[in-house]
Amino acid sequence: AQRVTQPEKLLSVFKGAPVELKCNYSYSGSPELFWYVQYSRQRLQLLLRHISRESIKGFTADLNKGETSFHLKKPFAQEEDSAMYYCALKETGNQFYFGTGTSLTVIP
Amino acid sequence: KAGVTQTPRYLIKTRGQQVTLSCSPISGHRSVSWYQQTPGQGLQFLFEYFSETQRNKGNFPGRFSGRQFSNSRSEMNVSTLELGDSALYLCASSLRGAGTGELFFGEGSRLTVL
Repeated sequence: AQRVTQPEKLLSVFKGAPVELKCNYSYSGSPELFWYVQYSRQRLQLLLRHISRESIKGFTADLNKGETSFHLKKPFAQEEDSAMYYCALKETGNQFYFGTGTSLTVIP
Repeated sequence: KAGVTQTPRYLIKTRGQQVTLSCSPISGHRSVSWYQQTPGQGLQFLFEYFSETQRNKGNFPGRFSGRQFSNSRSEMNVSTLELGDSALYLCASSLRGAGTGELFFGEGSRLTVL
């Protein structure tokens, strides 16, 4: 069963507009959730993790256990935000389940 | 600090052959995980090694195997290659334990099976 769902394969927004990348998960325990990002010609890298409750590059993500969601948000998109974004769920040990990713394009 | 290094970066094989991919983790990282990345399926977990022992295994056939050496370097092997094994194979290293969880990825080994 798919543990992490990212319903949007492609998302385009204009520069300066708000952006929200959706992520829903399925997990019976206390989830550890992450957002990873892959910029063009770069390695996949961690953007943020829910446990830190941090804002990275203006992005935030709030864990909503009731809706089993971990949507990634940014109030004002920048061109450099164009990238592939993956939501990931960490199970016990070090096994991660990744969503299929959302390709974000910020239009100048 | 050197990042995760994967070799080879690209390789082409034919059906029925076998392939071995190598991964050198970041110094001090003892956990190495392998993922298969394809356009349709995204990243799928293959297995994780920690202290030379396989700790977790994903839902892949037995043709996919791996091992880890005492210096934490890891190899994965795919035997009897099939066309569907064409993919980018990513290795990730990490510090294992509660409160960590960040994976550091290599650039991947792109396998094409003809």
